[in-house]
Amino acid sequence: GENVEQHPSTLSVQEGDSAVIKCTYSDSASNYFPWYKQELGKGPQLIIDIRSNVGEKKDQRIAVTLNKTAKHFSLHITETQPEDSAVYFCAASPVGAGSYQLTFGKGTKLSVIP
Amino acid sequence: DAGITQSPRHKVTETGTPVTLRCHQTENHRYMYWYRQDPGHGLRLIHYSYGVKDTDKGEVSDGYSVSRSKTEDFLLTLESATSSQTSVYFCASAREPETQYFGPGTRLLVL
Repeated sequence: GENVEQHPSTLSVQEGDSAVIKCTYSDSASNYFPWYKQELGKGPQLIIDIRSNVGEKKDQRIAVTLNKTAKHFSLHITETQPEDSAVYFCAASPVGAGSYQLTFGKGTKLSVIP
Repeated sequence: DAGITQSPRHKVTETGTPVTLRCHQTENHRYMYWYRQDPGHGLRLIHYSYGVKDTDKGEVSDGYSVSRSKTEDFLLTLESATSSQTSVYFCASAREPETQYFGPGTRLLVL
């Protein structure tokens, strides 16, 4: 089955700096890669996703890049703000291959220091 | 965000007792999922449903059963709760199988 590794497990940045979180996956059939943000005591919230036919996707201060050859994808947050502090999860799924399962990384706790 | 609610939000129970968690969505989503979240393990899929009365096992299904008699409701049952099932349980729903939206979670403590 799919295995998703996520790094780093914790990340501290100064407000206004950029943050980068990286994930690698093992199953070459995976073609859908979402990112979730989880605030304390809440459920994960989908913030951005990318499919394998796209190399990069942006949404305001958030961007995701995908390198299918190397089987890794990354989340980039620019101009970080204190409200970006949360746990971020990456995931991978082989959509269309008869699978309905997302496999998640173990999460990155991001702290933005004012 | 998808309109997903979970009940109860918190529950304390004793080993050996049955427990049922409820997930309710108002988005008419076809797909629904149950996950558990534990420190060091992230989110792991327990069971999922791809339609009314259509369910299948996920990665960590032992000790759990599910039922889906209506599009909007997905129930997770622990037939005989054990301490290893102490966890936070999240339900998710999706119009297409991959784009999943999560509920607020249920915190379960098994003593």
